[in-house]
Amino acid sequence: RKEVEQDPGPFNVPEGATVAFNCTYSNSASQSFFWYRQDCRKEPKLLMSVYSSGNEDGRFTAQLNRASQYISLLIRDSKLSDSATYLCVVNGETPNFGNEKLTFGTGTRLTIIP
Amino acid sequence: EAGVAQSPRYKIIEKRQSVAFWCNPISGHATLYWYQQILGQGPKLLIQFQNNGVVDDSQLPKDRFSAERLKGVDSTLKIQPAKLEDSAVYLCASSRNGAPSNSPLHFGNGTRLTVT
Repeated sequence: RKEVEQDPGPFNVPEGATVAFNCTYSNSASQSFFWYRQDCRKEPKLLMSVYSSGNEDGRFTAQLNRASQYISLLIRDSKLSDSATYLCVVNGETPNFGNEKLTFGTGTRLTIIP
Repeated sequence: EAGVAQSPRYKIIEKRQSVAFWCNPISGHATLYWYQQILGQGPKLLIQFQNNGVVDDSQLPKDRFSAERLKGVDSTLKIQPAKLEDSAVYLCASSRNGAPSNSPLHFGNGTRLTVT
């Protein structure tokens, strides 16, 4: 089983719709979870961290389900500018205290259609 | 604040040739990462430095890849000799410390390597 698994998509969604992605992880000891956004031919950028209680940032909501070992990202009222690849990121082994190894999923490609 | 600087942006080489990439992290960031991103995949960690020491290089193909961060600031990644499967974008990232939960990674623009 891969450490971090995502549906690669592509998801083609009309503007204004709501879209959700899931991501599963294999290491039950993982403590930190993130969603990064990567535009075409650009570097990844942190979109949001995922907290145990769930968190919301404008149109974006992230949820964590530790029992089932998955995290989710919900985008409401999608905009054309939301078109990107969304990378699920989980901290894995901690070889040294204070140093966390981040594992990236393959990413889910989202295209918002006008 | 200035971002993570990488050079070159693009590099095309023939297989069996050597290549080197350079990265200058954000000032004051102790942790530096090199990731390899093959087309259609997520970034894969090659090596992580904390100051000038190696924290994790478990996924670095050490028979052909090497990296150093001698003064704990900028870093170079070298491939010698290159193979076709090394074609990828090489991303450098830095963070204030090695704990992404409170110190997010900042990525550079990357170096796109094509091996022919």
